[in-house]
Amino acid sequence: NAGVTQTPKFQVLKTGQSMTLQCAQDMNHNSMYWYRQDPGMGLRLIYYSASEGTTDKGEVPNGYNVSRLNKREFSLRLESAAPSQTSVYFCASSEPLYRVGNTIYFGEGSWLTVV
Amino acid sequence: KQEVTQIPAALSVPEGENLVLNCSFTDSAIYNLQWFRQDPGKGLTSLLLIQSSQREQTSGRLNASLDKSSGRSTLYIAASQPGDSATYLCAVSTSGYSTLTFGKGTMLLVSP
Repeated sequence: NAGVTQTPKFQVLKTGQSMTLQCAQDMNHNSMYWYRQDPGMGLRLIYYSASEGTTDKGEVPNGYNVSRLNKREFSLRLESAAPSQTSVYFCASSEPLYRVGNTIYFGEGSWLTVV
Repeated sequence: KQEVTQIPAALSVPEGENLVLNCSFTDSAIYNLQWFRQDPGKGLTSLLLIQSSQREQTSGRLNASLDKSSGRSTLYIAASQPGDSATYLCAVSTSGYSTLTFGKGTMLLVSP
């Protein structure tokens, strides 16, 4: 079972470069999320997509764009990378979290370093 | 804005001890609370999910309690083992939102 798959796992970028993190889930979930995790800051939500065709900003959206390509795929784009975007990025998916019993599934993470 | 706090930030115990991790949240209007485990270099794995109407959930040596009115949850780990060493995160799903708010985690080290 693949679950949530993120690519790439590791990436080094130069300041000002652009890149896209890819995420795909095979659980037919409606909702998908992008979080970043930084030391001492915990996980913070960047963007989420409650359903195919919709996207919403989270806590820290500046400097990022997202695309919900279809129900399976949710990509995160850095248009002009900055050192402050050095972080570990996690994609996740779920059915609506307000419904009883629904939990969230995370990918393995993407380590991004901006120099 | 929902805020989630976890205490302690780090904990080191010898094998066999029973231990308690704490989580508090500021907005009691939650749908549910989850505890996650994160191993170094890995993603998060859900351990226990407590609905807002429930008081506790158990899975093996883990027991999580929820007191929604006071905004607190505890994760109890019985007879700790070195394999329990990981970071444990608490997260809440707040009414009106479709996302989770996470605490910063408790890093647990269980020594043989």
